[in-house]
Amino acid sequence: DAKTTQPPSMDCAEGRAANLPCNHSTISGNEYVYWYRQIHSQGPQYIIHGLKNNETNEMASLIITEDRKSSTLILPHATLRDTAVYYCIVGQSNDYKLSFGAGTTVTVRA
Amino acid sequence: NAGVTQTPKFRVLKTGQSMTLLCAQDMNHEYMYWYRQDPGMGLRLIHYSVGEGTTAKGEVPDGYNVSRLKKQNFLLGLESAAPSQTSVYFCASSYPLGGMNTEAFFGQGTRLTVV
Repeated sequence: DAKTTQPPSMDCAEGRAANLPCNHSTISGNEYVYWYRQIHSQGPQYIIHGLKNNETNEMASLIITEDRKSSTLILPHATLRDTAVYYCIVGQSNDYKLSFGAGTTVTVRA
Repeated sequence: NAGVTQTPKFRVLKTGQSMTLLCAQDMNHEYMYWYRQDPGMGLRLIHYSVGEGTTAKGEVPDGYNVSRLKKQNFLLGLESAAPSQTSVYFCASSYPLGGMNTEAFFGQGTRLTVV
């Protein structure tokens, strides 16, 4: 059973914010939300993760709804190098593993 | 700091041949993982290890074996390769996931073709 649901693809204009949604309606209280991306068949790269508070780092912001059933990854100023497949993953602390779905293919256009 | 290094990067095998993929990490991580990725799909976990001398099965373990004799190395073996094992294989390592300062680091992949 898939723990997360993401749109298969989305386009974004260069320089604009990209908002990537993720539904995780069956998330439990001790499960984190992780975001990774994979650029053109390279190894996946960690972006950000959170439990219930919103998080921000140098790459992105993560907004988690109060009921924790969905979240949004925000790339504040998308560049062409942000074109990638983005994976939203739900997992427990010390679960030892990440389960990847199909992700969202994000294409940033000039 | 090399991170996670996979050897080899490319390989072509004949059906029935065996081979070992090597993953090495220099970050002193306890946990290591082997994933496979088929075209247009996400990564699927083959096997993982939570420490030296330990291994466990993931989602798709059949046809593969692993060993973690040293903390920094995680080996993936194919005893008798089949065309269905044609894939890109990714190794990763991490501290315990969740909480602060936790992320998995991935290698650049091994592209394996079985003919």
